Amino acid sequence: DAKTTQPPSMDCAEGRAANLPCNHSTISGNEYVYWYRQIHSQGPQYIIHGLKNNETNEMASLIITEDRKSSTLILPHATLRDTAVYYCIVRATGANSKLTFGKGITLSVRP
Amino acid sequence: DAGVTQSPTHLIKTRGQQVTLRCSPKSGHDTVSWYQQALGQGPQFIFQYYEEEERQRGNFPDRFSGHQFPNYSSELNVNALLLGDSALYLCASTKNRGNTEAFFGQGTRLTVV
Repeated sequence: DAKTTQPPSMDCAEGRAANLPCNHSTISGNEYVYWYRQIHSQGPQYIIHGLKNNETNEMASLIITEDRKSSTLILPHATLRDTAVYYCIVRATGANSKLTFGKGITLSVRP
Repeated sequence: DAGVTQSPTHLIKTRGQQVTLRCSPKSGHDTVSWYQQALGQGPQFIFQYYEEEERQRGNFPDRFSGHQFPNYSSELNVNALLLGDSALYLCASTKNRGNTEAFFGQGTRLTVV
């Protein structure tokens, strides 16, 4: 079972920041928080991951609370192409560890 | 640099038949994982291959089997197809060394009738 909980859906206006929450209260010390997204009919796409520090890349920012029990993915300027299902995943270190997906959160960006 | 490629993109099979799906990993990747995604659900882990052996397996019956070749490409085989096997089958590749992210292919849409 997935170790994360996410609301089923949210929307935001184009050009505004989208803040996607995720709860992972049972996360272990050696587990990372990963975010992937899946645009309709495509394979999931990696966005970002982090352990305990905030992370930023060209796609998004990841804010992890100090107790690591929750995190927020921030898309700073959402576009219509960001409409997708976003998955928050807790994953142990090592390339051989599997990804356990939940149902994700459907983000709808409106014009 | 080609990413993860899967073939075929779509497939229709009859109940009871067997099917083989194929995956070529991203260049430089040596580990391949397979996932099944039913409509409206998140992907579910089937199994992972590394060094031509199954390293991990999810909660799937023995009808699901796989293979990895020396060039790291992989096949997923499903025997005795059921209507419930209709799904999007996704292949993901990673490097065994390091904490690298997984790259996914576009998937194969299997419909069992």
